[in-house]
Amino acid sequence: AQKVTQAQTEISVVEKEDVTLDCVYETRDTTYYLFWYKQPPSGELVFLIRRNSFDEQNEISGRYSWNFQKSTSSFNFTITASQVVDSAVYFCALESNFGNEKLTFGTGTRLTIIP
Amino acid sequence: DSGVTQTPKHLITATGQRVTLRCSPRSGDLSVYWYQQSLDQGLQFLIQYYNGEERAKGNILERFSAQQFPDLHSELNLSSLELGDSALYFCATSSGRYQETQYFGPGTRLLVL
Repeated sequence: AQKVTQAQTEISVVEKEDVTLDCVYETRDTTYYLFWYKQPPSGELVFLIRRNSFDEQNEISGRYSWNFQKSTSSFNFTITASQVVDSAVYFCALESNFGNEKLTFGTGTRLTIIP
Repeated sequence: DSGVTQTPKHLITATGQRVTLRCSPRSGDLSVYWYQQSLDQGLQFLIQYYNGEERAKGNILERFSAQQFPDLHSELNLSSLELGDSALYFCATSSGRYQETQYFGPGTRLLVL
């Protein structure tokens, strides 16, 4: 069965600090995709990144970076120099053929950036 | 703005009633997915349609049904509503090719009183 675990329920950091959100996944499939979505207080789900299982290169987009490690089944997300606008709930999700293309979400990490 | 629209944004109704939620996909997207977000269950996949046909089913109750129309918009019908059906209902759409990114609409917040 597919499973995504976000062990950190809530994190609070002071503005400008770096913060890493953890994501550990389980799947029997060898081909799968991992995602991160952001849900700000307004409630919508905003797509951040999609990474396929064959691409283990780290990715950086501005202050955001992602570390994908198949050996530990992890896909962690780091925000550098955090800002108040980063306050949101962040969801990690997994999609695989075994899962019939549906997204399996983790329980989310609520990130609060303290000014 | 993801390009996916959902109506209505908010819905308040009573137990036992029936409601219809609507989703319009991004231009060119053939797949529509419905998800439910509740405090106790988190984000859960309900059902997927691809080009008018049901493609995958998740944790969707028998009281719930969906369809996708020829113009590719989709409707989620919730009937015999219970207090526990109060949740945020999202639709997401994708181009429909294998494992493409799903873009989410703003959601419909349903409150059953």
